Amino acid sequence: DAGVIQSPRHEVTEMGQEVTLRCKPISGHNSLFWYRQTMMRGLELLIYFNNNVPIDDSGMPEDRFSAKMPNASFSTLKIQPSEPRDSAVYFCASTYPGMNTEAFFGQGTRLTVV
Amino acid sequence: QQQVKQSPQSLIVQKGGIPIINCAYENTAFDYFPWYQQFPGKGPALLIAIRPDVSEKKEGRFTISFNKSAKQFSLHIMDSQPGDSATYFCAASGGAQKLVFGQGTRLTINP
Repeated sequence: DAGVIQSPRHEVTEMGQEVTLRCKPISGHNSLFWYRQTMMRGLELLIYFNNNVPIDDSGMPEDRFSAKMPNASFSTLKIQPSEPRDSAVYFCASTYPGMNTEAFFGQGTRLTVV
Repeated sequence: QQQVKQSPQSLIVQKGGIPIINCAYENTAFDYFPWYQQFPGKGPALLIAIRPDVSEKKEGRFTISFNKSAKQFSLHIMDSQPGDSATYFCAASGGAQKLVFGQGTRLTINP
């Protein structure tokens, strides 16, 4: 398996524009997580899905952020409208079924909002 | 209750030294404590993990020490090498798969 695949790897956009980040989890994994990493706040969990259903979105910063998982092999994180403070590295991770299993991370999307 | 506090923020050690990174948690429901290693431009990757029924776990040069009563755990790297230079994150979860991460420690091993 190629691992968790995220696209794009880098995104530069202007303030106010819509940004969509994409994630393909590892086949057979049933949980998917979106994290945001910044120097100030470290790794923050934004939202996670179990069997394509959002379980906990308490980390989503505000209504400008939304996430979907239409099927087991694809998820998106959308920011509309984007702001400079959204600049960060966004990671997607997936896990096998079961409790406390290893989270496999993608390479991340570095987002810069100017 | 959901926080995991990690220290130090950064650490510089000479090759062959034993860097130690510490974490503390509050939520007694946590029952899984992994450490992740992250290289620049990469996502975090699982290094080693421990459950609270043991006080120590070793995998190669990496050791986790766990103190359940103090709600603390630490990572020790024996015979550290320049290739170990990375950012290390402790984490914790309880029941659900939701991992709570520490702030990270940027480790530099000088040759």
